[in-house]
Amino acid sequence: GAVVSQHPSRVICKSGTSVKIECRSLDFQATTMFWYRQFPKQSLMLMATSNEGSKATYEQGVEKDKFLINHASLTLSTLTVTSAHPEDSSFYICSARAVGIGEKLFFGSGTQLSVL
Amino acid sequence: QKEVEQNSGPLSVPEGAIASLNCTYSDRVSQSFFWYRQYSGKSPELIMSIYSNGDKEDGRFTAQLNKASQYVSLLIRDSQPSDSATYLCAVETGNQFYFGTGTSLTVIP
Repeated sequence: GAVVSQHPSRVICKSGTSVKIECRSLDFQATTMFWYRQFPKQSLMLMATSNEGSKATYEQGVEKDKFLINHASLTLSTLTVTSAHPEDSSFYICSARAVGIGEKLFFGSGTQLSVL
Repeated sequence: QKEVEQNSGPLSVPEGAIASLNCTYSDRVSQSFFWYRQYSGKSPELIMSIYSNGDKEDGRFTAQLNKASQYVSLLIRDSQPSDSATYLCAVETGNQFYFGTGTSLTVIP
């Protein structure tokens, strides 16, 4: 199957700092990437949809100025959590929609963010 | 509002039995349906995709889709302890994927 690489896998940072998470599609082009967050024992919550070369579409209740998304190429999207606070601690997962591989969604390995 | 509903479980089955996971969705125009498996602390892994009514088999897994009833299911035959995980149902509508809350499955050795 298609491979989506997500880095870093784990981040521990101080409150007030910014954290960047990268999501790369390694062997396919991804016109659309999605960013999710997941709290323990809960399902995926869609944060935003990013399309290559255009602004991301954020879900209701997600602060676009806090969660900056850039999708500069067909293989890379980044999520930057700005001025992180303890309540931002969560498991962040990216996924990519593959061009030419049907309507399938492939997930990165996730990033566990812990804000102290 | 697009909804995907699953029984959260937990569902427990003995090793070797058939595990049956169910999912309903609200949007009739949904075209693509997926089952993902998620182990604790890991990201979801695609198990099955199904696009047309009927059954689709892949190894020990069978996905069933009934668009008239807006129902999709996953059967796991000869369940193994390694199948113990949370199973997420996902429905694709337009350019969006909608996930259920997941069903926790435990296979008892």
